[in-house]
Amino acid sequence: IQVAQSPSSLSASVGDRVTITCQASQDIFNYLNWYQQKPGKAPKLLIYDASKLEAGVPSRFTGSRRGTEFTFTISSLEPEDVATYFCQQYHQFPYTFGQGTKLENK
Amino acid sequence: EVVLVESGGGLVKPGGSLRLSCAASGFSFSRYNMNWVRQAPGKGLEWVASISSRSDYIYYADSVRGRFTISRDNGDNSLSLQLNSLRVDDTSVFYCARVRGECTGDCLGAFDVWGQGTLVAVSS
Repeated sequence: IQVAQSPSSLSASVGDRVTITCQASQDIFNYLNWYQQKPGKAPKLLIYDASKLEAGVPSRFTGSRRGTEFTFTISSLEPEDVATYFCQQYHQFPYTFGQGTKLENK
Repeated sequence: EVVLVESGGGLVKPGGSLRLSCAASGFSFSRYNMNWVRQAPGKGLEWVASISSRSDYIYYADSVRGRFTISRDNGDNSLSLQLNSLRVDDTSVFYCARVRGECTGDCLGAFDVWGQGTLVAVSS
């Protein structure tokens, strides 16, 4: 199963609404997660099962699904949100990740 | 505190071998499925291998099958990855990661706990 993530990079200002998309190559139901990775650090789980917020993650991060298209949204960008974001499907092996979206501060 | 700590990375020549370890603490290690994930320098994330809580289900990425071996010791709370026949394109940071939620079978899920990673560099 392929997951096509877009865009590969984007630049936004503090306070902006940011949206990232992952398109699965087949129906994966809600089996998609979103991770944040900062330089030199391990990935951090933000959203699981397409829309469930991991404990301790700020509510400005949300996820949604429409068919095989998944959307990750930051409602109001904070400076600490500068990072690379990855989606991951877990409908079946092998687990596959999107190519990543590098989010930079404008 | 739930913690995973990898070790064993280093510089190795093409065709060489290395054994990575991941020490788990702060949770009931024997109840969780575990994984290895790697990231080549400046690249994205690639899942490498998974092992179920009782070691009865094991899966590998096509790129490593036949060269890498995942194993675990629940008595020692440790996960391992034996890397053989290493190639230059295996150069990566390797992370161990826990599957969210206790599982006694063939369960997939989100990776809710990650180690800090260990670097494997393959070069002549």
